[in-house]
Amino acid sequence: EAGVAQSPRYKIIEKRQSVAFWCNPISGHATLYWYQQILGQGPKLLIQFQNNGVVDDSQLPKDRFSAERLKGVDSTLKIQPAKLEDSAVYLCASSLDHSSYEQYFGPGTRLTVT
Amino acid sequence: DQQVKQNSPSLSVQEGRISILNCDYTNSMFDYFLWYKKYPAEGPTFLISISSIKDKNEDGRFTVFLNKSAKHLSLHIVPSQPGDSAVYFCAASVRGTYKYIFGTGTRLKVLA
Repeated sequence: EAGVAQSPRYKIIEKRQSVAFWCNPISGHATLYWYQQILGQGPKLLIQFQNNGVVDDSQLPKDRFSAERLKGVDSTLKIQPAKLEDSAVYLCASSLDHSSYEQYFGPGTRLTVT
Repeated sequence: DQQVKQNSPSLSVQEGRISILNCDYTNSMFDYFLWYKKYPAEGPTFLISISSIKDKNEDGRFTVFLNKSAKHLSLHIVPSQPGDSAVYFCAASVRGTYKYIFGTGTRLKVLA
């Protein structure tokens, strides 16, 4: 079984630029999560999708972050414009459905904003 | 407001000995707890979980203990192996939300 795929693995941009991350969850997993992990901290949930609908985006900075999961499979997370404090690893995870406790994480995208 | 705390950022243990990783939480509504292991340049992988109706769960070399009165859980690894060297995160969830609050992680180094 293929795991959660993410790309790119690394990205360096200047502040005020835009960036997008892509995630392909495990086949058949209805629930998809985006987390932000700042160095020295644990992952923090940004947004949770159930199929193509948003379940929770309470911690997503909506003035600059957006995410979509149009066909209920792949998802993209965008930051526009980026700030220095957005430097972090962005992790995508998926689970069978929203009532599943076990989440499967991708390798993450390390973003550096200079 | 850090609801899930891992106060030891790092831990070193000799191969073959017991590793004990600790986690404290403040929210009494948490009812499900998980431990994840993370290797460098990889995403976290699920290790073991425990529901608040239990005080112990065992899976091979890994055992998680939950002390609800103290709002404390611990992960025991016996015997520790060099391949266990990784960062360990505990996470907690409030019943029915399936949202996780993660701790800051403990880096375990098992010395051969």
